[in-house]
Amino acid sequence: EPEVTQTPSHQVTQMGQEVILRCVPISNHLYFYWYRQILGQKVEFLVSFYNNEISEKSEIFDDQFSVERPDGSNFTLKIRSTKLEDSAMYFCATSEGRLSPLHFGNGTRLTVT
Amino acid sequence: QKEVEQDPGPLSVPEGAIVSLNCTYSNSAFQYFMWYRQYSRKGPELLMYTYSSGNKEDGRFTAQVDKSSKYISLFIRDSQPSDSATYLCAIPGGSNYKLTFGKGTLLTVNP
Repeated sequence: EPEVTQTPSHQVTQMGQEVILRCVPISNHLYFYWYRQILGQKVEFLVSFYNNEISEKSEIFDDQFSVERPDGSNFTLKIRSTKLEDSAMYFCATSEGRLSPLHFGNGTRLTVT
Repeated sequence: QKEVEQDPGPLSVPEGAIVSLNCTYSNSAFQYFMWYRQYSRKGPELLMYTYSSGNKEDGRFTAQVDKSSKYISLFIRDSQPSDSATYLCAIPGGSNYKLTFGKGTLLTVNP
């Protein structure tokens, strides 16, 4: 069964550094999302992306965050200057259509020290 | 009032038991309802996807929606140790149908 692939599985970085999290969507999927889950808390929406632009973003997704699909395959989340509170699991999700169920990757565990 | 509420448990049952997991929601405009299963250190995996009120069955799993009460349930029959995971209800809403998740219920099925 096709799956969403995320790399790296674990990223450790120092506060203030930039990180890029990568996702390879399922090939025929058109809608892309990033969610995050802080330890012990809910999975929460960050951003949705369709047709090469952001369609919606949450309050969490401030100017330190950006997304892009640079080469038509990878979908990336960049955090420009990481903070301690950015430590979380980051999940990429993709779907075929706007109302289609989301398929999640296994996440990148980001640890900011 | 929070949009989606779910009892986080934990819930521990013996193998073979019937499990009932529940969520309540506040927005009556919600129309689609999903249940995801999340194993430790893995991403959420779609289990059931329902639209409108009523029941939907898939093997040992039954999803139930009661729109009048804004209450959704997931029943697991003949539970197995491999069902041990966190179960998340998720409801898409808004113009882009972004998912709002419940906090998840941690289920352990003991052999």
